[in-house]
Parts: sequence; structure tokens; C-alpha cells
Amino acid sequence: DGGITQSPKYLFRKEGQNVTLSCEQNLNHDAMYWYRQDPGQGLRLIYYSQIVNDFQKGDIAEGYSVSREKKESFPLTVTSAQKNPTAFYLCASSSWTGDETQYFGPGTRLLVL
Amino acid sequence: QKEVEQDPGPLSVPEGAIVSLNCTYSNSAFQYFMWYRQYSRKGPELLMYTYSSGNKEDGRFTAQVDKSSKYISLFIRDSQPSDSATYLCAFLRSNDYKLSFGAGTTVTVRA
Repeated sequence: DGGITQSPKYLFRKEGQNVTLSCEQNLNHDAMYWYRQDPGQGLRLIYYSQIVNDFQKGDIAEGYSVSREKKESFPLTVTSAQKNPTAFYLCASSSWTGDETQYFGPGTRLLVL
Repeated sequence: QKEVEQDPGPLSVPEGAIVSLNCTYSNSAFQYFMWYRQYSRKGPELLMYTYSSGNKEDGRFTAQVDKSSKYISLFIRDSQPSDSATYLCAFLRSNDYKLSFGAGTTVTVRA
């Protein structure tokens, strides 16, 4: 079953705590992305990676960090520097073979205690 | 001016009605035009995509693109309660292959 998995489905963060959201894909896609979705707003790009061991900042990277050590994995860390982390986080992936459509995971909802 | 403007909604229609969703854009670098459907608390799923002006049909769905006027539309014929979702327009930039999204329009189809 090909697809993108994200875990956990819900995550709670305490003040001053770093938390890591998992994203795994078995679609053999080269590119992976992290978006943040807030109510009434479109998806905003946090970070993206086109190849292993390389990634670029998106439009709202402050307070977040990522790594891309394996092709199938692209974890996102929400650091304590992110002052408003409550949101729905979506991971996506795409190939670079002429079909640049992005496919999304089920999302992780992050809530602050 | 925002790069992408999507009719905010929400829309509520009776079952069987035609649903019309619209987005306008200002960036001439947008190359691919997409519609995603997102059910509540789920990830978006790709519904349709196209790269040229004109109409593209897929079952009850028709995507329309007018590059000269910089707008795209999605039409849903014979709408069903299962079509109740938020619909997001999305645009792929040809220079860096990043997606820009509209804010979404929430549609409710009443049985």
C-alpha cells in the first residue's frame, strides 16, 4: 500500500518543549514538504527537500527545523522558538519525473498545553 | 494583492445542484493548476490538475482554466452529500516548483 504516513495524529506540547513530527513515504518520491494549515488560511510552506541531505526554508521556517537523512523520511521539529505552534501540520511528497503533483499525508494536529 | 484569491464561502447547496468554485491568481509563473479536496481533519487529496487553458472533465468534476484572465474554476455536477468538504485551489510555480494555495472554500451538500 503506497502512501504517506504521519505520526502522531495528535500531539501536545508544553511551554519550552521541542516536539518532533514524523513523516514517512513509500512512493519513492524525491521531494518532500512540510506545510502548516491554520483555520481560514491556505497551506503555508515551512520547509522542503528535493534530495537526501539537502533542504530549503519555505515561507514560514522560523521556529522549525528538519532533517532528510533518508529518502523516505522527513521529520519536522517544532522548537520552543515557535511561539504559536497550534496548527494542523501536513507532510507532502512529489516526484521529479514530469509529474510534479504533491500528495499529502493525513496530518498531525499540534496543540499547546 | 494576494498571489491567490479564492471565493471564501461557505457554500450550502441541495443535493443534485451544481457547485461552482473559483480562484484568481496574479503570478504569471504559475504553470500547473490543481484542485484538492480536504475532508474535515484529513489531509488534502488531489482531485484534478491541468496545465493548459480550457476545460478538463473527470466524471462529475470539470476544471476550467483561463490563463488570459488568470482564473480557474471547479464545477461539481449532480452534487452528493459525500462532496461536502473544503476545496483548495493550488498553483505550481514553474521557477521553483513550489505550490501556492488558496484559503479554501467549504462546501456542504444537503441531502
